[in-house]
Amino acid sequence: EAQVTQNPRYLITVTGKKLTVTCSQNMNHEYMSWYRQDPGLGLRQIYYSMNVEVTDKGDVPEGYKVSRKEKRNFPLILESPSPNQTSLYFCASGLSRRNIQYFGAGTRLSVL
Amino acid sequence: GENVGLHLPTLSVQEGDNSIINCAYSNSASDYFIWYKQESGKGPQFIIDIRSNMDKRQGQRVTVLLNKTVKHLSLQIAATQPGDSAVYFCAENRYSNSGYSTLTFGKGTMLLVSP
Repeated sequence: EAQVTQNPRYLITVTGKKLTVTCSQNMNHEYMSWYRQDPGLGLRQIYYSMNVEVTDKGDVPEGYKVSRKEKRNFPLILESPSPNQTSLYFCASGLSRRNIQYFGAGTRLSVL
Repeated sequence: GENVGLHLPTLSVQEGDNSIINCAYSNSASDYFIWYKQESGKGPQFIIDIRSNMDKRQGQRVTVLLNKTVKHLSLQIAATQPGDSAVYFCAENRYSNSGYSTLTFGKGTMLLVSP
């Protein structure tokens, strides 16, 4: 089954404790992206990747890092999480930045 | 469920009615549009798309209409069912000043279907 898989689905952590949210897709898509979704603000893009070893900032990149060492994986890294990063995070993939993006089920992160 | 519906406009309909969800876009150069459905606790799911060289596209129980003159997009759902209750949002392929384009998402409308 074609899918985008994120882990974990739920995470509670404390300020400053590094964490990684994994994302994997099995559709051989070149384009992958991370979004955060907050009430009243909709989906905002954090980082995206056009292909392996090619990443770029989205609209809200501060406090986040990503890597794209393999085509299927695109982890999101919070080196020092802060409470304002409490949010619902989605990973997505697609053929390109201009095509349909397929989303994972989401990761609910709470930073205390 | 997830609180993605807070602060969203809401459309309440009865089961069996037709629903129309609207979306305005700002960039007249946008050339591709997508409608997504997001159920509580899930990620956005692709419903239907349309390119700017079309005015209308139909799927199963859904129709998307594009009015480029007023930069307006609508999603029509026929014979709405309780399972259609979700947040619906549109995405446009928007061009930046640099000439690159990317999908940009609207904030969404919550559809509530009562039996």
